[in-house]
This record gives sequence, C-alpha cells and structure tokens, in this order.
Amino acid sequence: RKEVEQDPGPFNVPEGATVAFNCTYSNSASQSFFWYRQDCRKEPKLLMSVYSSGNEDGRFTAQLNRASQYISLLIRDSKLSDSATYLCVVNDDTGFQKLVFGTGTRLLVSP
Amino acid sequence: DARVTQTPRHKVTEMGQEVTMRCQPILGHNTVFWYRQTMMQGLELLAYFRNRAPLDDSGMPKDRFSAEMPDATLATLKIQPSEPRDSAVYFCASGSQDTYNEQFFGPGTRLTVL
Repeated sequence: RKEVEQDPGPFNVPEGATVAFNCTYSNSASQSFFWYRQDCRKEPKLLMSVYSSGNEDGRFTAQLNRASQYISLLIRDSKLSDSATYLCVVNDDTGFQKLVFGTGTRLLVSP
Repeated sequence: DARVTQTPRHKVTEMGQEVTMRCQPILGHNTVFWYRQTMMQGLELLAYFRNRAPLDDSGMPKDRFSAEMPDATLATLKIQPSEPRDSAVYFCASGSQDTYNEQFFGPGTRLTVL
C-alpha cells in the first residue's frame, strides 16, 4: 500500500464548478500536510498547507481528518487556470522536512 | 527572485553512459533534496542533504547512483552506468528551517536513456 494515495482522475469540470479531491495517508504519526500544484511539464509548487482546524485561501479550502487519515482540497468557482495536477503531500515523521508525495490528481477545467 | 536552478534541462544519452545532473539550491537553504518523477511512480525521494551532509539516500539505487554536495551552492546526482529504466524527470528541491516544510523545486532535468 502506498503511503499517500490519490485518485489520479482526470476530473473534468466546467468553469465555475466546485470540485473536491481527497487523499489518504497511511502513517498515523504524520504531522504536516500539504497540497502542491504541478502544471504540465513544470515543477511542483506549494499550493497550501493543511491545518487540523482546516484552512481557506481564496477559492481553495483544505481540510484534515486525522481519525480517518484523509486530507481534502475543495476548489470553488473553478478557473481555466486551475487545470493542473494536485499533489497530496505528507511529512514523514522520521525526518525533518522529508515529504512523501502522492501521485497526484489531474484536474481539467473546460470553458 | 530566488530560484533553484538545474542543469542540464534535457539530456538524451545511450545506455551505459555516465550522466551528471547539477543543482544550485536557493542561497541560504541548508536542505537539498533529489527526486525522480515518472508517470507510474510519481515523485520519489532519492536522497537528501542537510548542511551538505547526506541524511538519507535509501531511495537511491546504490550500485549506479551517487549524490554529493561538494559545496553549499552545488549538489550533483550521478548515474553510472545509465539504463533505459532511469528515464525520468529528476528534480532538485531546497528548503530550510525558515521555510518550515515548504520545498522549492527546480525546473527538473528530463533524462532519456536510449
């Protein structure tokens, strides 16, 4: 079983739609959680951290459920520019800053 | 605008050849990571360094891969001999305690081994 699992998608949504991604992680001792975004043929970039209380950044909302070991990302009012792969990332508690990446969920937003 | 730089951006080589990839981390970052990304496996951590010392290279095939950090401004990843299954995008990333867990990625080296 992979440490971080995501639905690879693709999720095809029209502009303006709301879309949600989930990911599950296997290491119950993980302490830090993130969503990274990766555009086609580009490097991953941090989208947002995920806090226990949940957090929001504009149209993006991230939530963490420690009991069930899953993380979610909600995107409201999707834009064409949101088309990308979204990587769920978990800090491996065995090493400072050592991150474990999911394989990503691909989002395609169409006009 | 501080960025991680990687060279070369693209490399095509033949099986058995040596490949060296270079990375310049962001000035002041003391942690450097090497990742490999393929469609099947996603991003895999190969090795990482803190303050130039190797902390973990358990993700790296030891018989053919080696990673070094000769100074604070240069990290290298070497494959010798290269094999077709090494074809992938290799990313370098850097970070520091000041950036908490955020890692800043370079643009990657796209390696094709024929």
